[in-house]
Amino acid sequence: DAGVTQSPTHLIKTRGQQVTLRCSPKSGHDTVSWYQQALGQGPQFIFQYYEEEERQRGNFPDRFSGHQFPNYSSELNVNALLLGDSALYLCASSLDRGIDYGYTFGSGTRLTVV
Amino acid sequence: GQQLNQSPQSMFIQEGEDVSMNCTSSSIFNTWLWYKQDPGEGPVLLIALYKAGELTSNGRLTAQFGITRKDSFLNISASIPSDVGIYFCAGLRGSQGNLIFGKGTKLSVKP
Repeated sequence: DAGVTQSPTHLIKTRGQQVTLRCSPKSGHDTVSWYQQALGQGPQFIFQYYEEEERQRGNFPDRFSGHQFPNYSSELNVNALLLGDSALYLCASSLDRGIDYGYTFGSGTRLTVV
Repeated sequence: GQQLNQSPQSMFIQEGEDVSMNCTSSSIFNTWLWYKQDPGEGPVLLIALYKAGELTSNGRLTAQFGITRKDSFLNISASIPSDVGIYFCAGLRGSQGNLIFGKGTKLSVKP
């Protein structure tokens, strides 16, 4: 049973460019959350998607947007990249019924902005 | 963004020693979680706590959900080299939604 799959694993982009990161949730999960983890910090919540809608959002600018597809997979898009966007981006999947049914993280995408 | 107060920031211990780390918050959480993260990987859940006062074990790991719902601790007994990594606490207010993480405790174990 595959866990959460994220792609790509590593990415280098230039300041001002746009990037799309992808996430396939664990089989059976219907909710996807995205986190940004800067070096030496804990993950910070970006947003959560359920039923193809953004359900909750953390304190991130509109440059960060997302999408969830009918098969529950999700994309995170970041526009106008800044050097400070360099981080590990983590996707977590869960069941809408509640976190006690499982909340699983992927291995992340390491984004470097130069 | 908001982060929980996690301490200590780092620990250097001898193999076989016990380890204790804790997490505090100024606000209440309904769920406390403890994760371990290895380099280049995502966090892996160690223990989940759902009720104030709850004490839960997972092998050599024991965690407690504070009575005030504003704190939690994690103990590791008889540490081994594979315990090396970064340990994060995380709190959740509802049953879904966003986790609030601590800054992590980096554990190093000397054989």
